[in-house]
Amino acid sequence: RKEVEQDPGPFNVPEGATVAFNCTYSNSASQSFFWYRQDCRKEPKLLMSVYSSGNEDGRFTAQLNRASQYISLLIRDSKLSDSATYLCVVNSRYNFNKFYFGSGTKLNVKP
Amino acid sequence: DGGITQSPKYLFRKEGQNVTLSCEQNLNHDAMYWYRQDPGQGLRLIYYSQIVNDFQKGDIAEGYSVSREKKESFPLTVTSAQKNPTAFYLCASSGFEVSNQPQHFGDGTRLSIL
Repeated sequence: RKEVEQDPGPFNVPEGATVAFNCTYSNSASQSFFWYRQDCRKEPKLLMSVYSSGNEDGRFTAQLNRASQYISLLIRDSKLSDSATYLCVVNSRYNFNKFYFGSGTKLNVKP
Repeated sequence: DGGITQSPKYLFRKEGQNVTLSCEQNLNHDAMYWYRQDPGQGLRLIYYSQIVNDFQKGDIAEGYSVSREKKESFPLTVTSAQKNPTAFYLCASSGFEVSNQPQHFGDGTRLSIL
């Protein structure tokens, strides 16, 4: 079983829509959680860390559910520029320096 | 500006040739990483280093080698033993033993076979 699993998509949504992605992780010792954004043929860039109580950054909201071992990312009022692949990343409390990446969820925002 | 610099941006390898990809960071991070990404696929860990003069194999280390002689530098050599080296190579760094420290990435090197 993969450490981190994501629905590959693509999610095709119109501008202005709200879209949500989930990501499940298999290791209950996972300690830190992140969402990255990766544009085509570019490096991943940190979108936001995910905190236990959930957190928001503008149109983006991240949630953590430790009991069910998943994290989510909600994007409100989607923009064309939000089109990208969103990567879920976790690491373990036993080795903060080992990161596990999901394969990514592709989002296409259409005019 | 602090960041991670990878060079070259594009690299071509001939059959039987070893090539070295450069990665330098000025973020004062202890941990550094190399990943490989194939088209339409996720990132796979090749090697990582938590401290100078120490490194560990990742999931796909065969055909690759690394060194960590300086904190700022973590070069990756793609050897002739790596039969399918064409991919996008990403270097990353992070703080050491600090919870909730994310990784930061360089802008990558695209390697192709001639």
